[in-house]
Amino acid sequence: QVQLVQSGAEVKKPGASVKVSCKASGYTFTSYDINWVRQATGQGLEWMGWMNPNSGNTGYAQKFQGRVTMTRNTSISTAYMELSSLRSEDTAVYYCARGHYTAPSPYWGQGTLVTVSS
Amino acid sequence: DIQMTQSPSTLSASVGDRVTITCRASQSISSWLAWYQQKPGKAPKLLIYKASSLESGVPSRFSGSGSGTEFTLTISSLQPDDFATYYCQQYNSYSRFGPGTKVDIK
Repeated sequence: QVQLVQSGAEVKKPGASVKVSCKASGYTFTSYDINWVRQATGQGLEWMGWMNPNSGNTGYAQKFQGRVTMTRNTSISTAYMELSSLRSEDTAVYYCARGHYTAPSPYWGQGTLVTVSS
Repeated sequence: DIQMTQSPSTLSASVGDRVTITCRASQSISSWLAWYQQKPGKAPKLLIYKASSLESGVPSRFSGSGSGTEFTLTISSLQPDDFATYYCQQYNSYSRFGPGTKVDIK
């Protein structure tokens, strides 16, 4: 069955970077795109961007341009989302989701809590 | 950027009620709209895609309609498991979620 397993919770200081991983199993990793979505505590869902694991092509929401980088390691079927210059407003649960381009998906990771605090 | 709005932001209802949530896009997105249900501490669950297509395994009391800029999610008879927050998502131009509608117990 399709599974997306994300890395564990992180605590970072303002100005630092965080890299969250999303390990895929149960399907051919390079056949589907990966989207990243975040959710601050008590807030709504925010789409961050998309990556094609086959080509490495990416597309980012304007809000995160210049601060986010999405990459992959096809040999271990893992996608990564790195967010830099962290600030307190980046404290959130970060989700990966499988799909075709930015289309909706029933397959989501369990979420990774990133806390930014001095 | 396409902006998404939802109304109402909160909806109080009783089991058995018919519930309707509206989602509007700032420009036409054709039928490239999805609906998700989310419960606290859980990842979102896909209910509807392409405005009106029911995701496999989702109960038939959920239905979606609309095209262009105005869309609705209808729950025909609210069940105890349906108390949650609902989000619309456009995927016509990259993607963006609506702000959400919380359905709570009246």
